[in-house]
Amino acid sequence: DARVTQTPRHKVTEMGQEVTMRCQPILGHNTVFWYRQTMMQGLELLAYFRNRAPLDDSGMPKDRFSAEMPDATLATLKIQPSEPRDSAVYFCASGSGDRASGTDTQYFGPGTRLTVL
Amino acid sequence: AQSVSQHNHHVILSEAASLELGCNYSYGGTVNLFWYVQYPGQHLQLLLKYFSGDPLVKGIKGFEAEFIKSKFSFNLRKPSVQWSDTAEYFCAVNSKAAGNKLTFGGGTRVLVKP
Repeated sequence: DARVTQTPRHKVTEMGQEVTMRCQPILGHNTVFWYRQTMMQGLELLAYFRNRAPLDDSGMPKDRFSAEMPDATLATLKIQPSEPRDSAVYFCASGSGDRASGTDTQYFGPGTRLTVL
Repeated sequence: AQSVSQHNHHVILSEAASLELGCNYSYGGTVNLFWYVQYPGQHLQLLLKYFSGDPLVKGIKGFEAEFIKSKFSFNLRKPSVQWSDTAEYFCAVNSKAAGNKLTFGGGTRVLVKP
């Protein structure tokens, strides 16, 4: 049963510290998405990749957030420096995207619950 | 740009009652439609999806949804809910023009009273 995995599941840190969240997409999936979920804003798309290339990161605060895919099995989302307003659940999703048809189904990981004090 | 509206933010009902959650999208082209469910403290799970073909789609856990193109709607239904259906439900859409970017509705929190 293939699943998206994320680590860590929970992270508590202090303001100003660097936070790195990791995601392992489902093997064979070529698209990876990062979302942030808060009570106030709901689900927000932060960034997404196709075939490891970043396609859109317009939803991400550029000054402190960065997203990368060092290889096909690992996606990272980094916050440096972290701030209390970054407290949220961060979800990674992967999909087998077909841009020509627009058909794609995203499968979500369990999320990283981040608390910045 | 595509957008999704879920008009009911909260729904409370009793076990065995029927459930219908509204979802409307705005986009003039061909779309793919999804319903996801998020149980308390868990991640989003796919309930069902529509790409093409029969507009009545059956998903897991007894859920179904009907795509009505003329109304830009994709409402979710379940004839008889259980306490375990307590969750938040998200409608989402993507389109060829938007690549694989999913646009989510604001979610509907459903509470099923035992």
